[in-house]
Amino acid sequence: GAVVSQHPSWVICKSGTSVKIECRSLDFQATTMFWYRQFPKQSLMLMATSNEGSKATYEQGVEKDKFLINHASLTLSTLTVTSAHPEDSSFYICSAREPGGNYGYTFGSGTRLTVV
Amino acid sequence: SQQGEEDPQALSIQEGENATMNCSYKTSINNLQWYRQNSGRGLVHLILIRSNEREKHSGRLRVTLDTSKKSSSLLITASRAADTASYFCATGRGNNNDMRFGAGTRLTVKP
Repeated sequence: GAVVSQHPSWVICKSGTSVKIECRSLDFQATTMFWYRQFPKQSLMLMATSNEGSKATYEQGVEKDKFLINHASLTLSTLTVTSAHPEDSSFYICSAREPGGNYGYTFGSGTRLTVV
Repeated sequence: SQQGEEDPQALSIQEGENATMNCSYKTSINNLQWYRQNSGRGLVHLILIRSNEREKHSGRLRVTLDTSKKSSSLLITASRAADTASYFCATGRGNNNDMRFGAGTRLTVKP
């Protein structure tokens, strides 16, 4: 079945630095990928929709200049958390849908970001 | 923004019992999906039910969808300790079928 690889699985960074998270569809091409954020014991919040070859669509309240999304190819989307602050510490998850599939989405394994 | 609500927020049962989780949503949908998440891990897709379907089965899972009430339920029969996890419903909307998640139900199955 469809596989989505997310890297890194965890990262610790200092306040003020930037962190890049990669999301790859391994055996299919994904024109659309989604980025979610999840705080402990809470649900997933959709941050943005990443579209290959065009600008990402951000949800209301998500700062596009802080969370930079690049979907440069049909198999790779990246999320860069810029000038990270401790409140950005969270679990970030991406997902993608295999074209022609039954609308079921495949999720990456997530990235635990801790900003110190 | 979150799409819906799930209840109960937490459910604790004995192994062998059935577990029922409910999900409600607010807008029209293309489909509704249920996912499982073990603590600190990614999500695993369990089952998808389209807006024109009313019931679907997959192994020990049974999902119902009532679009008139904008609600769905997930039934896990003959639960096992390994079923302990958080369960989320997600509704697919629009042309991109972007998904919005419910608050989730934390299920604990005691051996």
